[in-house]
This record gives sequence, structure tokens and C-alpha cells, in this order.
Amino acid sequence: QVQLQESGPGLVKPSETLSLSCTVSGYSISSGYYWGWIRQPPGKGLEWIGSMYHSGSTFYNPSLKSRVTISLDTSKNQFSLKLTSVTAADTAVYYCARDVPAAPAFDYWGQGTLVTVSS
Amino acid sequence: QSALTQPASVSGSPGQSITISCTGTSSDVGGYNYVSWYQQHPGKAPKLMIYDVTNRPSGVSNRFSGSKSGNTASLTISGLQAEDEADYYCSSYSSSSRVFGGGTKLTVL
Repeated sequence: QVQLQESGPGLVKPSETLSLSCTVSGYSISSGYYWGWIRQPPGKGLEWIGSMYHSGSTFYNPSLKSRVTISLDTSKNQFSLKLTSVTAADTAVYYCARDVPAAPAFDYWGQGTLVTVSS
Repeated sequence: QSALTQPASVSGSPGQSITISCTGTSSDVGGYNYVSWYQQHPGKAPKLMIYDVTNRPSGVSNRFSGSKSGNTASLTISGLQAEDEADYYCSSYSSSSRVFGGGTKLTVL
């Protein structure tokens, strides 16, 4: 059973960097698949942030590309998200998910973590 | 990269069928057979219900079905049940990106 769990600060100050990690259990991230991040502002819809293939190639939402970095740590079976220069508009529940390259679709999701941007 | 267009809300009575539409462009929905649908209950993570336009993951009820015509994809839920009340999101592949719809709130009357 594949499980994903997000972790990281729940409060980030404006202009700083949001950093989240996603720990995967039940599957080795180096074995395949893309690994992605999706966010959902309170009361709003889903927004894809980006995905990274186990080989290292990355794909980002064009609207966020200049501020986003996704990386893998295969030794910890984790992948991470960094979003720089955050504003209140980045306040959202952030989900990590397994991204099926052949679909593409997100078949396993973490429970989500709320990140609030506020001073 | 614009969000796909979904109706804000749909409703139906138990036992009825409903259809949720998802309209994009030839660069996303119309250009690939890579449309997926997600169900999200309040406070929960989304759940994959349909992928590759018509395919159901293991464990998803066959009351859920997907289709596509041109730039519009559709999710049909037959035999509506109370537990189907949730938000539904479509998503499509688009030139190495993924784009979501704005979401549709399904109310079971």
C-alpha cells in the first residue's frame, strides 16, 4: 500500500521560502513514476504545481515556474517542494501525490498540509 | 495555461444519473486522451476516479464512467447515492503540464 505524508512549517512569512517534504512508504521513489505537488487555496480549486520524474527531469506549472523547485532524496524516499518569495496568495493546503506518467493522473495522495503565509 | 471549465454545481436525486462536463481546448482535453477525474469530500484529499478518459482504477464503482467528445470531457455518475455528494475535479495533460478544472459541487437531494 503506497502512502504519502507531507511535513513542514504551517506558517511562513511573506517574501520567505516555503519548504515542504513528502515521505513515501510502500514504494521506492527511485523505481519509477513522477512525484508531484498540488495545492488548494482555502475554499478554492486544485492547482498543479509541478512533478518530477525519478530520473530527475522536472515539469512545472508555467505560472509558478520561476519560484518552484522540486527535488528527490532517494536515500530517505522523500521528495521536496521549495516555493520562493511567497505572498498571501500562496496560502493553501499543499498535497503531494504520485503522478502516473502513462496516464497522467495522480493515483496516491498525501493527506495535505495547510501552509499559511502571514507575518 | 488556463483552468478547464466545469459547472460550479450539479444536483440529482438518489438513483438518478448526473453528468459533469469539463471543457478545455485542443491543447489539452481535445489533444490527448489523458483526462482524469477526482472526487473530494470536505477536508479530505482528492481521490482518483477516472483516468485516460474512460478507465476506472481498481476499487472505484462502475457507477462512475468517463467520456470525451472534442474539447469536452464528461463524468457520469449513475444510480446516485448519498455518499457521492462531494466536489469533483477534472484534469488534463497539456504539453508536459497538468491542468485542473475549477471543480463542481455535486449535491444529492
